[in-house]
Order: sequence, then C-alpha cells, then structure tokens
Amino acid sequence: KAGVTQTPRYLIKTRGQQVTLSCSPISGHRSVSWYQQTPGQGLQFLFEYFSETQRNKGNFPGRFSGRQFSNSRSEMNVSTLELGDSALYLCASSLDRLPGELFFGEGSRLTVL
Amino acid sequence: EDQVTQSPEALRLQEGESSSLNCSYTVSGLRGLFWYRQDPGKGPEFLFTLYSAGEEKEKERLKATLTKKESFLHITAPKPEDSATYLCAVPVQGGSEKLVFGKGTKLTVNP
Repeated sequence: KAGVTQTPRYLIKTRGQQVTLSCSPISGHRSVSWYQQTPGQGLQFLFEYFSETQRNKGNFPGRFSGRQFSNSRSEMNVSTLELGDSALYLCASSLDRLPGELFFGEGSRLTVL
Repeated sequence: EDQVTQSPEALRLQEGESSSLNCSYTVSGLRGLFWYRQDPGKGPEFLFTLYSAGEEKEKERLKATLTKKESFLHITAPKPEDSATYLCAVPVQGGSEKLVFGKGTKLTVNP
C-alpha cells in the first residue's frame, strides 16, 4: 500500500514569491491535514480537509491556504513568502473513523531566502 | 489554552538501559493522547493511541501509559535503532485531526 506522497521534497524561494505544495494521501483516506514543523515551534497545525471541505484551521495568517480535490489529493499554497515561512511542511492522511492516527508524508522542505 | 509539554528534551542511553519519557498535558475533556516517532528527515510515524487513565499499550520495547495529567513512554532495553524523536499529541477542541504536539524528546541510544 503506497504511503502519503508529497511533492516537491525540497524547494528554495525568495521573499515575496508564492509556493504550492502537493500531497497525495493513502488510497481510501479522505481526511488530509497539513502541519508546519520548525525547530523553534515544533509541529503546528495548519488546516484539515475532508471531502473537499476545510474542516479545521490553525492559527496561521491568510497567506496560508489549501484545498482538496475530489480524489482526496490536496494542495497548500503560501503567498508572499516571508523568511519565517522556512520550514518542513508535512501532510498527513487518516481514516475518519480512527481520529489521531495520522499517516505522514516525508514533507516538503521550504527554504525562503 | 491546550498545552502539551514533553521532558526531557533530549535523552542519551546506553543500549539496554531502560528509561521513560514524559508527556504532560492540560486539555479539557481529553479525547485521546497519541504517541509518534520521528526519524531525521522523515515524517512522524504513529505508535499508540491512549484514551483513558490507566490504559496501557505495548509495541516491542515500548510501552505507553496514561494518567489523568500525563503519559509516559517506557523504553525497555533499548537498541540503537530506537534512536529517534518521540512526540506526543492531543486533539483540541474543534476537530479530532487538529492535534497539538509537544516539542518531542530526542532519544539517542548508544551501542
């Protein structure tokens, strides 16, 4: 069974640019969550999508957005990048009947220069 | 505000030297506590779910326990391959997949 796939794995951007990250969940998983991981703050919840609807949102500015497609694949977008957005962005999928049991991808490491 | 605090931040053990990691939480109406393991350069890997005080779960050399205020991850006779960062998390109000994670304990097991 294929795991959660995130692309790209690494990317470098400059301040002011925007970035789109992609996540393909495990087949059959309809819930997709996004987390930001930094050395200082650890793992922080960004948002969760279920059946193409945003079900939960974390405390991040509006520059961070996401969406989910009918095949459960998800994308997140960060506009007007800031240096502080440098982080590992992790996507996780789950079965709705097993809350908290998240299957994470390997992440997309974003560096903002 | 819901909070999760893990201690110690880092722990070095010799192979075979058992120890425990701590996760304390402040959340109203606990709806589960989750343990994850994260290896360098990888996403976290789910280990255990605990729902009620007194509950225990085991997997190989790991045993997780839960009280009303904290959880412990006991590591018995660890091996170098147990080296990783161990994270605990609790769901917060607003949705079961909205997890608050502790900052983790980085475990190093020396041969």
